[in-house]
Amino acid sequence: EPEVTQTPSHQVTQMGQEVILRCVPISNHLYFYWYRQILGQKVEFLVSFYNNEISEKSEIFDDQFSVERPDGSNFTLKIRSTKLEDSAMYFCASTLQGAFIEAFFGQGTRLTVV
Amino acid sequence: KNEVEQSPQNLTAQEGEFITINCSYSVGISALHWLQQHPGGGIVSLFMLSSGKKKHGRLIATINIQEKHSSLHITASHPRDSAVYICAVRGSSGGGADGLTFGKGTHLIIQP
Repeated sequence: EPEVTQTPSHQVTQMGQEVILRCVPISNHLYFYWYRQILGQKVEFLVSFYNNEISEKSEIFDDQFSVERPDGSNFTLKIRSTKLEDSAMYFCASTLQGAFIEAFFGQGTRLTVV
Repeated sequence: KNEVEQSPQNLTAQEGEFITINCSYSVGISALHWLQQHPGGGIVSLFMLSSGKKKHGRLIATINIQEKHSSLHITASHPRDSAVYICAVRGSSGGGADGLTFGKGTHLIIQP
């Protein structure tokens, strides 16, 4: 069964450092997403990406965040200068046709900022 | 902005019981997802609904578009069904790239 793969599963970083979270979506999917879940809270939408550009972003996705699909297979989320409040589980998801096909989620990357 | 409310927040039941989890939303949608989040954090997509009813094994999901309400049912519940069940909706503003809005989840525990 196809799956979305995220690496690393857990990353610890110093406050102020840059981190890159990596995702390999399902190969024929066209829409890609990043979500985050702060411990004990609900999952929140960060950004969606289609046709090599951001389609929609939430108010959480400020200038410290960026996404990239550098090589046609990976989909990355970069946080330029991490803050303590960036500590969360980050989920990548992909869909074939957006709204009309169920989303496949990765297992998540737990980011801990110290 | 869509508000997604789930009930109950927590549910503990005995093995074999019929389980119902409810989800209501405030604004019209193009699709509703039921997701399962395991204790380790991973999320699995169970159903995507835009109308009617879907069944997969012991799981049944229904949606009433007019009432802006969906239910997830689990028949013959089993301890391995213990997880957080999350309702998430996708807006009806068009296009396929809109992100999902999530409910807070229902924490289900099935006791043997």
